[in-house]
Amino acid sequence: GAVVSQHPSWVICKSGTSVKIECRSLDFQATTMFWYRQFPKQSLMLMATSNEGSKATYEQGVEKDKFLINHASLTLSTLTVTSAHPEDSSFYICRSGGGISYEQYFGPGTRLTVT
Amino acid sequence: AQTVTQSQPEMSVQEAETVTLSCTYDTSESNYYLFWYKQPPSRQMILVIRQEAYKQQNATENRFSVNFQKAAKSFSLKISDSQLGDTAMYFCAFMKIGGGSEKLVFGKGTKLTVNP
Repeated sequence: GAVVSQHPSWVICKSGTSVKIECRSLDFQATTMFWYRQFPKQSLMLMATSNEGSKATYEQGVEKDKFLINHASLTLSTLTVTSAHPEDSSFYICRSGGGISYEQYFGPGTRLTVT
Repeated sequence: AQTVTQSQPEMSVQEAETVTLSCTYDTSESNYYLFWYKQPPSRQMILVIRQEAYKQQNATENRFSVNFQKAAKSFSLKISDSQLGDTAMYFCAFMKIGGGSEKLVFGKGTKLTVNP
């Protein structure tokens, strides 16, 4: 079946630095990618929706200048957390879209720890 | 806006027994999908079962089945013959069909523990 990969799976960075998370669709083209954040013992919260070749759409309350999303190709979407702070520590998950609505492919997630 | 409510934060069941997880949702849409996802300790989201709102027949996938009550906006998950590997967080989710959006709205989740 279709696979979505994320890299890195776990990253530790210092406060004030930026970190990039990659999400790749390995054997299909994802015209849309959804980015979620999940705090411990909580549900997934949608941060933004990216479409290949256009600007991402951010959910209310999500700082677009802090969480930069790029969807430059049909197989790669990236989330960059700029000037990271400890409160940005979370689990970030991508999900592909743009195909048949009910087919959902989640990436394995990236654990971000900001010290 | 759509909302999904899971009223059971935690549940436990003995191995081989049956357990039912509850989910209710609120929407004015008539055409949508409902999903149950499993998130084991690895945190990989795994699709358990999917229900199309226009289908009256309840979906089943092996040991997993749903009780979809459209009028009551209820979508419960029944797990039969529970196995230790079923221990996980379970999320109920809603997706509107059409309008160009494939956003998933998740409930807060139910932590299920299967005891030996």
